[in-house]
Amino acid sequence: KQEVTQIPAALSVPEGENLVLNCSFTDSAIYNLQWFRQDPGKGLTSLLLIQSSQREQTSGRLNASLDKSSGRSTLYIAASQPGDSATYLCAVQSGGFKTIFGAGTRLFVKA
Amino acid sequence: GAGVSQTPSNKVTEKGKYVELRCDPISGHTALYWYRQSLGQGPEFLIYFQGTGAADDSGLPNDRFFAVRPEGSVSTLKIQRTERGDSAVYLCASSLQTRGDNSPLHFGNGTRLTVT
Repeated sequence: KQEVTQIPAALSVPEGENLVLNCSFTDSAIYNLQWFRQDPGKGLTSLLLIQSSQREQTSGRLNASLDKSSGRSTLYIAASQPGDSATYLCAVQSGGFKTIFGAGTRLFVKA
Repeated sequence: GAGVSQTPSNKVTEKGKYVELRCDPISGHTALYWYRQSLGQGPEFLIYFQGTGAADDSGLPNDRFFAVRPEGSVSTLKIQRTERGDSAVYLCASSLQTRGDNSPLHFGNGTRLTVT
């Protein structure tokens, strides 16, 4: 059974800092891994999707890496801004059709 | 085009009542998912549709929960004899493909269900 863990559960940083969010998964036989952002009271917005054959994806100040063999992914956020404050969720699609989510990392960027 | 639309945005019901939650996916998306999210938790998988059929309903917690997608587009999640423990945000997502190598999930804003 696939399990997804995200560390840390919460993070508070000053504006401008670079930061890394971590995601680990127990079953390395995945089709893809996605990082999402969720603002309070809202649905999820897809940030990056990494296919199983890829090592990383970049979008603007965001970079996500995937090490499938070790069951790990990181989301790197450069030059953080107060508008980046949100919950970041990692999700993997593996056997069957389910996409399984971690519990998320709540990020607060202080101005 | 429009994103995934969920109605109602909020639903308050009494324990024991029946509720229906609706999801309008993005046009052309064949895959549709229902998730349930409790406060401080990640979304929990409930059911997945490919077209009209439920390809995987292993996440439905018990037989009080049922979902349909009769024409392969709009889906309805139905909960009978609601219990206070059913209170959560119910999220719907759609995507173009099944095992989506390049197909991210697109989520609606959810329906917040409160059972009193």
